[in-house]
Parts: sequence; structure tokens; C-alpha cells
Amino acid sequence: DAKTTQPPSMDCAEGRAANLPCNHSTISGNEYVYWYRQIHSQGPQYIIHGLKNNETNEMASLIITEDRKSSTLILPHATLRDTAVYYCIAARNAGNMLTFGGGTRLMVKP
Amino acid sequence: GAVVSQHPSRVICKSGTSVKIECRSLDFQATTMFWYRQFPKQSLMLMATSNEGSKATYEQGVEKDKFLINHASLTLSTLTVTSAHPEDSSFYICSARDRLEVHNEQFFGPGTRLTVL
Repeated sequence: DAKTTQPPSMDCAEGRAANLPCNHSTISGNEYVYWYRQIHSQGPQYIIHGLKNNETNEMASLIITEDRKSSTLILPHATLRDTAVYYCIAARNAGNMLTFGGGTRLMVKP
Repeated sequence: GAVVSQHPSRVICKSGTSVKIECRSLDFQATTMFWYRQFPKQSLMLMATSNEGSKATYEQGVEKDKFLINHASLTLSTLTVTSAHPEDSSFYICSARDRLEVHNEQFFGPGTRLTVL
């Protein structure tokens, strides 16, 4: 799986959009970009994934650059409950073993 | 969505004892389950891949005789930490892949916090 790079931490004001970047410059053509988050002392939770096109679901939006070397996870209206560590993972199949990097610790502040 | 449970959620034991952690897929069958370990302020590290009916595959540096994995059914995998020591204290998380792989993803359990005194 391609290596991903994320900022270690970010702050966001409650109610504002949280934009979490991820670099995956060595991603291969058949690797998806997956996003998970881990709230303190819980197991990771799947958020969204994409290959080339932008994706949106009830939790977030995923914007992937045209060259696929980076992506941004967008939480449109962050709440205090979105405070967590967010992991960006490049993988061919999320059903296989996943390699978790350091992630981004998002702190949503009132 | 698919649910994975772990039991116990938290365990404290004395050094030298063995501890068993169960991982169950509640509403789907899992031919493959993964065991991760997470130390404080660190990321998840894969320990082993558990396949139903066969021996687990361990990651480099993980002692298979210390961390015994049994995946005897399509809904249950167990991790036994044998002769636990304080350095084994960690957050253990399992995940499971749906046999039907409908969503091409794995589902994570809530984790088990092990403290060895």
C-alpha cells in the first residue's frame, strides 16, 4: 500500500467545515483512498472511500485531486463529537490488512 | 451496518497470567479477522491475520507462541495473551471482513484495554 502523509493535528471551530488533507503521491492506479476515524478509546470507524471521483455520503465528502496524489476529507459542519484521530489510508482493498499511519488529531472547539 | 463486538472491553490481570479476548461478528460471517494493537498515543499496528479454519499469519516481530489466535468459526476469533507482562498492556482491536465482501471493507470492534500489573 502507498504511504500517506497527514498533518499531526488540526483545530476546527464547531459548526465550521473541517478540511483534512492527505498526501499519497505514490498511490498506484488500483489503490483507493480510505478514510477512517478513531474516537478516543474506541475502534476505528469507516467514513468514506474513493478511487478517482469525488465522493459524498452522510458523514463527509472526499475530494481527490485529478492526479490522485492528494485528497481532502471535508466534514461540512463539525461538531464536538467529531473530535477524533482521522486516518487516511491508500489500499487496493479495505478488506485486506490496513496500514495505519499517524493520522490527524482533529480537535473541534466550541 | 455490520457490527463487531469484543469481550471483555477492559481487563486487568496479574503478570504471568493468560488473558483471552473474544472478537465476534454479530450480523455477518467473517472468513478473515485482523488483530491490531495500539499503545498510548500511537497508531494501530497489525499483529496478525486470522483465517477461519486455518493458522493465523503473524506480522514480523509478533510472537505467535505468546499471542495465540484461534478462528474456529465464521463469527468468532479469539486472541489469548499468554504469560502476560506489563509491556503487553495495550489496546487490542479486532476487525472482520464480511465473507460476502459486499462493501469491500472491514469492520472494527470497540477494542479491549488490557492492563497487566
